[in-house]
Amino acid sequence: GDSVTQMEGPVTLSEEAFLTINCTYTATGYPSLFWYVQYPGEGLQLLLKATKADDKGSNKGFEATYRKETTSFHLEKGSVQVSDSAVYFCALLNAGGTSYGKLTFGQGTILTVHP
Amino acid sequence: NAGVTQTPKFQVLKTGQSMTLQCAQDMNHEYMSWYRQDPGMGLRLIHYSVGAGITDQGEVPNGYNVSRSTTEDFPLRLLSAAPSQTSVYFCASSYGHEAFFGQGTRLTVV
Repeated sequence: GDSVTQMEGPVTLSEEAFLTINCTYTATGYPSLFWYVQYPGEGLQLLLKATKADDKGSNKGFEATYRKETTSFHLEKGSVQVSDSAVYFCALLNAGGTSYGKLTFGQGTILTVHP
Repeated sequence: NAGVTQTPKFQVLKTGQSMTLQCAQDMNHEYMSWYRQDPGMGLRLIHYSVGAGITDQGEVPNGYNVSRSTTEDFPLRLLSAAPSQTSVYFCASSYGHEAFFGQGTRLTVV
């Protein structure tokens, strides 16, 4: 079945540091890949997405590239801010076969950014 | 506004009580699902539905029932609440390359 393996946290960084959160997946068919962010006490917000190989999703300074050859979708940001402190989830949406429409999540990574 | 509407936002139950979490979407999506989120566990799939009249179990279905009488609605029922069901619950609606979430329900069972 489908699965998402996400870098375990928590991750603690100083403001303006470089961020990478690793995410790899296994899936049948042609999945779309997502990063969701959850701020304290809030719901899930879509951060960025990519729907096919070599696509790059980007939003609010965050980027991730859909790498089919390495089955990865690592999240990066060049300079983090205190306001980026949140939980980040990598997710896969399978758009093919019997898993059509099924979302599979990674475990989540807690990011804390200090001033 | 289009999207997923999930109610209530907060709920406290006593052990043994029953309740229904409501989820509705107006995007005509076939696939809907319920997740629970617990610290350190990420989001785990409870039940899902691929269309009206069709439901199936996810990863952690015990203690929960669902039904899908219409495309729009996918309620989650707790028949006899237990403290282990204290969690945050999310409903999702998805189609193709799009997925949308409700705001979540924070449920406490005492």
